[in-house]
Amino acid sequence: AQSVTQPDIHITVSEGASLELRCNYSYGATPYLFWYVQSPGQGLQLLLKYFSGDTLVQGIKGFEAEFKRSQSSFNLRKPSVHWSDAAEYFCAVLTGGGNKLTFGTGTQLKVEL
Amino acid sequence: GAVVSQHPSRVICKSGTSVKIECRSLDFQATTMFWYRQFPKQSLMLMATSNEGSKATYEQGVEKDKFLINHASLTLSTLTVTSAHPEDSSFYICSAPLGANVLTFGAGSRLTVL
Repeated sequence: AQSVTQPDIHITVSEGASLELRCNYSYGATPYLFWYVQSPGQGLQLLLKYFSGDTLVQGIKGFEAEFKRSQSSFNLRKPSVHWSDAAEYFCAVLTGGGNKLTFGTGTQLKVEL
Repeated sequence: GAVVSQHPSRVICKSGTSVKIECRSLDFQATTMFWYRQFPKQSLMLMATSNEGSKATYEQGVEKDKFLINHASLTLSTLTVTSAHPEDSSFYICSAPLGANVLTFGAGSRLTVL
């Protein structure tokens, strides 16, 4: 069965510092991978997605993620974090057919000024 | 751009009553919608897939009679929490496919059962 693991429950970074959020997946076929961000009490906003092709994908708000098949990872990165980036981040994998998303447990990002 | 609208955003009800949450796709049609539940500080769990014109498909462990889903039109799906109890208090989020393999999410509905 497919699964997504986000090892870090909480991460705190200083504003302006770089950020990397980890995501590992388990899925038999080629995965469709996503990163979503959720602000408190809000729905989810898509940051970026990987389906195929270039393994380094660019998203909104300056985020990028790299798909590494050998490591079953899809880590999210940002070179310089802004205070407004504080939120919950979810990695997700789309199962084959049906648009069913399986989410990781999320990483809560705190940004110190 | 395409948006999924949920209503109400917050609802408080007494134990034993039923609550209906609406999910509408704006500017696009959705033959399928998905309902998720999110407990505080936890991830989203898929509850069911709502299918226009047919019965919803529920995930294992989700009570069909507790969480009634109706997909009345190509732009509207509703989730009714019947005979709500405090343990049903949660954040409910709907989503709809927007193009191939991409879901767009509503802003969520926070249900508090007293």
